[in-house]
Amino acid sequence: GEDVEQSLFLSVREGDSSVINCTYTDSSSTYLYWYKQEPGAGLQLLTYIFSNMDMKQDQRLTVLLNKKDKHLSLRIADTQTGDSAIYFCAESRSGSARQLTFGSGTQLTVLP
Amino acid sequence: DAGVTQSPTHLIKTRGQQVTLRCSPKSGHDTVSWYQQALGQGPQFIFQYYEEEERQRGNFPDRFSGHQFPNYSSELNVNALLLGDSALYLCASSPKTAGQGIQMNTEAFFGQGTRLTVV
Repeated sequence: GEDVEQSLFLSVREGDSSVINCTYTDSSSTYLYWYKQEPGAGLQLLTYIFSNMDMKQDQRLTVLLNKKDKHLSLRIADTQTGDSAIYFCAESRSGSARQLTFGSGTQLTVLP
Repeated sequence: DAGVTQSPTHLIKTRGQQVTLRCSPKSGHDTVSWYQQALGQGPQFIFQYYEEEERQRGNFPDRFSGHQFPNYSSELNVNALLLGDSALYLCASSPKTAGQGIQMNTEAFFGQGTRLTVV
């Protein structure tokens, strides 16, 4: 199976919170990342978390890490139409000098 | 700061041809990684360069090769193009790694990509 898995689609109403989930398999992952990709564009780094942390908050973004279950989530508070994009979870494994392994991405659609 | 810049933005090639894609890293970064993103998928790691040498390589054939120049910019070369090579090619740059493999800064910044279409 894939090393990093994400659900493919998520729809939310504007103003609601969005929660995008990710599971990974490699327990040696040192850093876990969330990237955003808008149509026809490259990847924008949103946030990342070190594997010895449980939570990281950055303005509207909250990352939760459950290392025991190898589960990562990204919560976007007060979701706006401009948040509509594909969100990728990625892991960086120890000793690999920032070789990132990505999931297939979650398409977030924000409905007005 | 211009960030990570890639050229060209779009490219159309014929099967069997060769292509060269270019990347200039973010100021202060010395490590460049290349990724291939097929339609509807996440990026796949091709290889990484620093100190002008290939340091890590993903599961890509030898048709994919690269180079890093003294100014840290990089090229990705693909020979004998196949239809399946059609994808968005992304370059990412990262700051220096400290000694003994310890990562001082883990942020990897991506360029806008080069859309390669093989016909």
